[in-house]
Amino acid sequence: AQSVTQPDIHITVSEGASLELRCNYSYGATPYLFWYVQSPGQGLQLLLKYFSGDTLVQGIKGFEAEFKRSQSSFNLRKPSVHWSDAAEYFCAVEGSGGYNKLIFGAGTRLAVHP
Amino acid sequence: NAGVTQTPKFRVLKTGQSMTLLCAQDMNHEYMYWYRQDPGMGLRLIHYSVGEGTTAKGEVPDGYNVSRLKKQNFLLGLESAAPSQTSVYFCATGTNNYGYTFGSGTRLTVV
Repeated sequence: AQSVTQPDIHITVSEGASLELRCNYSYGATPYLFWYVQSPGQGLQLLLKYFSGDTLVQGIKGFEAEFKRSQSSFNLRKPSVHWSDAAEYFCAVEGSGGYNKLIFGAGTRLAVHP
Repeated sequence: NAGVTQTPKFRVLKTGQSMTLLCAQDMNHEYMYWYRQDPGMGLRLIHYSVGEGTTAKGEVPDGYNVSRLKKQNFLLGLESAAPSQTSVYFCATGTNNYGYTFGSGTRLTVV
């Protein structure tokens, strides 16, 4: 069965520092992969997605992610973090059986120090 | 504004009570989903629908029922609430190509 692991529960970075959030997936075929962000008290917003092709994908708010099949990873990066990036980040993979179902990781909570 | 609206936003139930959560979308999407979010567990799919009149079980369907009588509405029911159903519930619509649009959530506490 598909699964998603986000090894870091909490991460704290200083404003202006670079960021990398880790995501590992388990999937038999070529996965459809996603990163979502959740601000406090809000629903989730799509940051970026990978279906095929170029393994480095660009998203909104200056985020990018790189798909590495050999490592079963899809890590999210941002070169310079802003205070407004403080939120919870979820990696997700499309579940089996179609119908666009998503399997989410447990999330990584990002805190940004001024 | 186009989007997904969930009602109510907050609710406290006593064990054994029933309730219905309503999700309404004005995006004309076929697919709709109900997730629950618990600390340290991410979002888990409860039920989903691929179109009006259709529903299917997700990852954690026990204790919940759903209905999709109209394309724009997806209802989640708890027939006999239990403390284990204390959670934040999110409705979503969309596809993986288009991206999901989520509602702002319903925080349910069962005492």
